[in-house]
Amino acid sequence: DAGVTQSPTHLIKTRGQQVTLRCSPISGHKSVSWYQQVLGQGPQFIFQYYEKEERGRGNFPDRFSARQFPNYSSELNVNALLLGDSALYLCASSLTRKRGTEAFFGQGTRLTVV
Amino acid sequence: AQRVTQPEKLLSVFKGAPVELKCNYSYSGSPELFWYVQYSRQRLQLLLRHISRESIKGFTADLNKGETSFHLKKPFAQEEDSAMYYCALSDLGNEKLTFGTGTRLTIIP
Repeated sequence: DAGVTQSPTHLIKTRGQQVTLRCSPISGHKSVSWYQQVLGQGPQFIFQYYEKEERGRGNFPDRFSARQFPNYSSELNVNALLLGDSALYLCASSLTRKRGTEAFFGQGTRLTVV
Repeated sequence: AQRVTQPEKLLSVFKGAPVELKCNYSYSGSPELFWYVQYSRQRLQLLLRHISRESIKGFTADLNKGETSFHLKKPFAQEEDSAMYYCALSDLGNEKLTFGTGTRLTIIP
């Protein structure tokens, strides 16, 4: 099992552009969460999806959106990019959405906005 | 609002010495707490969770509700323990995690 896979690993975008990040969960995992990690900080929760429905949303502007597909993979979209959106974006999958369930993280996508 | 505080950004310990990484939290309810670790060039992974009350790689952590703390301890540090450690709290009803800012632990040979 390859674990949680994210693509691309790195990308550079210009301010104002739009970006789509992709995540494939571990086989059998129905829950996918997205986190933003700014340099020097811990990961910050953006979204949680379970069974293709949004189940939780962090304190992020509407420029951030996501979706989960029938195969449980997920995309995170960010519109009108700002310099402050530069960060490592982590995807995590888990078997259930029950409290205390272990989250398995991907390697992340490093987004640089110039 | 829930919050996790890790007061030490950097911690250096000699090999064989005891290790303690501090974590304090604020949460209005019964917390679910975790320690995640990130070794060099590896992904973030679960080290231990308080509900399991287990010891992983010699590390233990006890939830102290009176002091709202969940400090990570190991009696004898090993070089392979050098990594970034994050304390995290799970929200009620789902597995959303609130992370601290992390502590970079360096074991000096």
